[in-house]
Amino acid sequence: GQNIDQPTEMTATEGAIVQINCTYQTSGFNGLFWYQQHAGEAPTFLSYNVLDGLEEKGRFSSFLSRSKGYSYLLLKELQMKDSASYLCAVTEGYQKVTFGTGTKLQVIP
Amino acid sequence: DSGVTQTPKHLITATGQRVTLRCSPRSGDLSVYWYQQSLDQGLQFLIQYYNGEERAKGNILERFSAQQFPDLHSELNLSSLELGDSALYFCASSVTGGGDTIYFGEGSWLTVV
Repeated sequence: GQNIDQPTEMTATEGAIVQINCTYQTSGFNGLFWYQQHAGEAPTFLSYNVLDGLEEKGRFSSFLSRSKGYSYLLLKELQMKDSASYLCAVTEGYQKVTFGTGTKLQVIP
Repeated sequence: DSGVTQTPKHLITATGQRVTLRCSPRSGDLSVYWYQQSLDQGLQFLIQYYNGEERAKGNILERFSAQQFPDLHSELNLSSLELGDSALYFCASSVTGGGDTIYFGEGSWLTVV
């Protein structure tokens, strides 16, 4: 089975940087996804980490430490449209993908 | 547009009834996933298919069933509906189901009254 933990809510200021953490416990870890989901909409893919380290993609970066069971999503130069839920998801083996409950980020002016 | 198509987009039905949700995966994707998301809740994994075969099962109730057809579209059947089944049901697809990117459809809103 899998256990994924993320903070429930976070608030950050427009233009700032925010880090959303995700810790997981799983057997047969294969990789870790980050998705963005606006309320009532479909989740959209942000990143997929398989190896340790930081992957940067524009304003968003994702980090993974397999030995620590830890990942974070870093959002820079926050914009109001970044207000959304951010979902961490872990793949176990080559089978099901399990999502955390998500972190609701509110960006304020 | 992710390329994953779900129908219907909205559905209102009474308790005790049965409904079928339909999903067409992205062209070329062999794996289909079903997720349930209740109001302000996380995504609950229900079931995954790969090329017509069930690959993984999550917290899917016995009243629910699914299948993937030879043309790779999938259906999720929900029966003996209860008020608590009201949720947004997402279908997602990926090429292999083996850790590649999952693309979500827009979801089917089910309201049980």
